[in-house]
Amino acid sequence: DAGVIQSPRHEVTEMGQEVTLRCKPISGHNSLFWYRQTMMRGLELLIYFNNNVPIDDSGMPEDRFSAKMPNASFSTLKIQPSEPRDSAVYFCASSLRQGSVLNYGYTFGSGTRLTVV
Amino acid sequence: GDSVTQMEGPVTLSEEAFLTINCTYTATGYPSLFWYVQYPGEGLQLLLKATKADDKGSNKGFEATYRKETTSFHLEKGSVQVSDSAVYFCALSWNNAGNMLTFGGGTRLMVKP
Repeated sequence: DAGVIQSPRHEVTEMGQEVTLRCKPISGHNSLFWYRQTMMRGLELLIYFNNNVPIDDSGMPEDRFSAKMPNASFSTLKIQPSEPRDSAVYFCASSLRQGSVLNYGYTFGSGTRLTVV
Repeated sequence: GDSVTQMEGPVTLSEEAFLTINCTYTATGYPSLFWYVQYPGEGLQLLLKATKADDKGSNKGFEATYRKETTSFHLEKGSVQVSDSAVYFCALSWNNAGNMLTFGGGTRLMVKP
């Protein structure tokens, strides 16, 4: 398996533009997570999905952020309009939930470094 | 709620020194415990885990023992290398928390030759 695949690896955009980040989880995993990492705030959970259904989006900072998972092999995180304070590294992770137990942790992608100028 | 507390970094060591990164947790019951490592420019990678009290997780020379009595999961390595320079995250999964991992704030390790 190629692991969790994120694209693009780097994105530079102008303030006000729409940004779409993409994630392909590991085949067979049934949970998907979006995180944001900055020096100031560390690692923040934005939203997670179980079986393609959003379970908790309380970490999404504001309405400018939205996430979708149309099928088990693809998810997007969209920022519209983008602002300089959105600059961060965005990680996608997937895991296999078996019952109520998480024995194997998460597998993370390599991240998308977003710079909004 | 559940929480994980790690020692603040950066931790700076010379090559071949002994490493300890402290991690304590607050949780009801018996969570599973994890250590993740993040190398520069990469995502987090699972380093080791322990799923019950007194379990010892180990990988790549790193070890951590699940201590229920002290609610700790300290990461240790007997002899660090420059290539171990990274950020280390302690995390827990509470089995009734719907597949969630709670991460600590991370500890940066810098190993000098």
